[in-house]
Amino acid sequence: SQQGEEDPQALSIQEGENATMNCSYKTSINNLQWYRQNSGRGLVHLILIRSNEREKHSGRLRVTLDTSKKSSSLLITASRAADTASYFCATDTSGNTPLVFGKGTRLSVIA
Amino acid sequence: EAQVTQNPRYLITVTGKKLTVTCSQNMNHEYMSWYRQDPGLGLRQIYYSMNVEVTDKGDVPEGYKVSRKEKRNFPLILESPSPNQTSLYFCASSQGRVLSPLHFGNGTRLTVT
Repeated sequence: SQQGEEDPQALSIQEGENATMNCSYKTSINNLQWYRQNSGRGLVHLILIRSNEREKHSGRLRVTLDTSKKSSSLLITASRAADTASYFCATDTSGNTPLVFGKGTRLSVIA
Repeated sequence: EAQVTQNPRYLITVTGKKLTVTCSQNMNHEYMSWYRQDPGLGLRQIYYSMNVEVTDKGDVPEGYKVSRKEKRNFPLILESPSPNQTSLYFCASSQGRVLSPLHFGNGTRLTVT
């Protein structure tokens, strides 16, 4: 039951540039979460945005949510080589159903 | 240190030989879950548990069993592994089911020959 779909599948940028990843989903949500995964490791939670919020910041991360378009974006500003990872969105539709993860965006930041 | 610990990290086995992947969390989390990650398919949930003695099927439960006898432990059991269960497995936990970020283990890479 794939809900979120990230776009693009892969992104390659130079260090210092901004990286934007998008997530689209199909059904109404309670909240949407973004996670990062370094190669072969466990996912790490980055940020959670509730359905009644439009924007949230955490350090160099900025997440927006547009429930009318059923989409979210993750912006990483002033990227670093250490930001190289896969980024996943996960949608939470209700308390009785599991979080559903998208397939991820692979970000490569070249020094 | 707050963490989710999975063991083993790597496992190579043969078809039909029962195995257990252990998962333990030290954060007193109520919710625990198992995922498998395969190229092109992303993360898919196998089983989850809202609390002790409460388990439910996820998207891909066939061929797997779980148990939740204690709050901290949530082992994944493959009674008769098959090659299509070769995958990267993750255990995760969270304080509750809603509005709680998941904490992931470092994964178990399983190969079934």
